[in-house]
Amino acid sequence: QSALTQPASVSGSPGQSITISCTGTSNDVGTHNSVSWYQQHPGKAPKLMVYDVTNRPSGVSNRFSGSKSGNTASLTISGLQAEDEADYYCSSFTNFRTVLFGGGTKLTVL
Amino acid sequence: EVQLLESGGDLVQPGGSLRLSCAASGFTFSSYAMTWVRQAPGKGLEWVSGISGSGGTTYYVDSVKGRFTISRDNSKNTLHLQMNSLRAEDTAIYYCAKDLQGTTPDQFDCWGQGTLVTVSS
Repeated sequence: QSALTQPASVSGSPGQSITISCTGTSNDVGTHNSVSWYQQHPGKAPKLMVYDVTNRPSGVSNRFSGSKSGNTASLTISGLQAEDEADYYCSSFTNFRTVLFGGGTKLTVL
Repeated sequence: EVQLLESGGDLVQPGGSLRLSCAASGFTFSSYAMTWVRQAPGKGLEWVSGISGSGGTTYYVDSVKGRFTISRDNSKNTLHLQMNSLRAEDTAIYYCAKDLQGTTPDQFDCWGQGTLVTVSS
């Protein structure tokens, strides 16, 4: 199984909104709602930002939102802040009872 | 407070073995599936293996099937990963992570700080 497809990098200015896409197949993103997004700052462990496609864990800012259409999931960050600069990974459960991560997207806040 | 603390990472020769452990606290360990995720230096996240709360169901990525074994000791709140026939491509930071909703290991709301495994001669 190949990793889910994410853009290698995205950028935006403070206050702007950006969207990161995550494309899979009918064996993973297209079928399952166990799609989540993780934020990882350099040298740190990943942090869960969105789960079940659209839900935010307690304590995560409502500037982070998730969605899905067909085989593609998306993470939108509104009102960009300097602290949002990090790597972002999507993941999905699969029909093969495994978990696939995306290749990761580096977000740069200009 | 939920805490996960990995240990056991080391430098090992190709073909060697290593056992990773993850000590859990702050939640009812036996009620939650657990998982191992690795990250090679400068690379992305890769899910490696998962296990149900009871330990009765295990899950593996194809590249480690037959070489790695995940297990748990619910009496000691500890997760393990036995790694045999190690290869250079297994070099990575290994994170243990707690499942969000307890059943199938598919979404992870708490992560340890990671333990480094280096496979090299």
